[in-house]
Amino acid sequence: AQSVAQPEDQVNVAEGNPLTVKCTYSVSGNPYLFWYVQYPNRGLQFLLKYITGDNLVKGSYGFEAEFNKSQTSFHLKKPSALVSDSALYFCAVRDKAAGNKLTFGGGTRVLVKP
Amino acid sequence: GAVVSQHPSRVICKSGTSVKIECRSLDFQATTMFWYRQFPKQSLMLMATSNEGSKATYEQGVEKDKFLINHASLTLSTLTVTSAHPEDSSFYICSAKGRGDEAFFGQGTRLTVV
Repeated sequence: AQSVAQPEDQVNVAEGNPLTVKCTYSVSGNPYLFWYVQYPNRGLQFLLKYITGDNLVKGSYGFEAEFNKSQTSFHLKKPSALVSDSALYFCAVRDKAAGNKLTFGGGTRVLVKP
Repeated sequence: GAVVSQHPSRVICKSGTSVKIECRSLDFQATTMFWYRQFPKQSLMLMATSNEGSKATYEQGVEKDKFLINHASLTLSTLTVTSAHPEDSSFYICSAKGRGDEAFFGQGTRLTVV
């Protein structure tokens, strides 16, 4: 069975500082990894994905994530956070061998203070 | 990215009535659609997966007679909450997947049963 862990319920960071949101995963096969962001009372917006290729993936709004197979991690990063980045972030994994089902982490609330 | 439209965004209904939520892929054909439920400050819980023209596959613990899913076309899936009760109040989110790797999410529907 596939699973995702986001160890931090909330991350606080000052505007302009680097932001990191952690994610580790467990799958039996090769993982497809995703990051989504959710604003209050809204659906999820796709940020980026790792399927294959370069371990460093660049996505929307200046976010990037690094796939680390040995540590089974896919941490989300942004070099300089904005107040508007304050939202709920979800990491998700899909094991192609398990079909199209996405498994989500518990989510991490990011609060960027001015 | 692709657009998924979910309607209505908010609905209030009386206990015992049924509510239908629509999920449309506006600019792509969704071979697979997913329905999630999200409790406050929690992650998304997959309820069911539906493929166009076939019966939905429900996750363990989800009552298929209560949460009716219809995926009659490649651009439309509906979720009907039958005989709704206050405990069904939640945020429901659909997502749609075409031929690509990522799924796109609707805006979500806030259901309140009074």
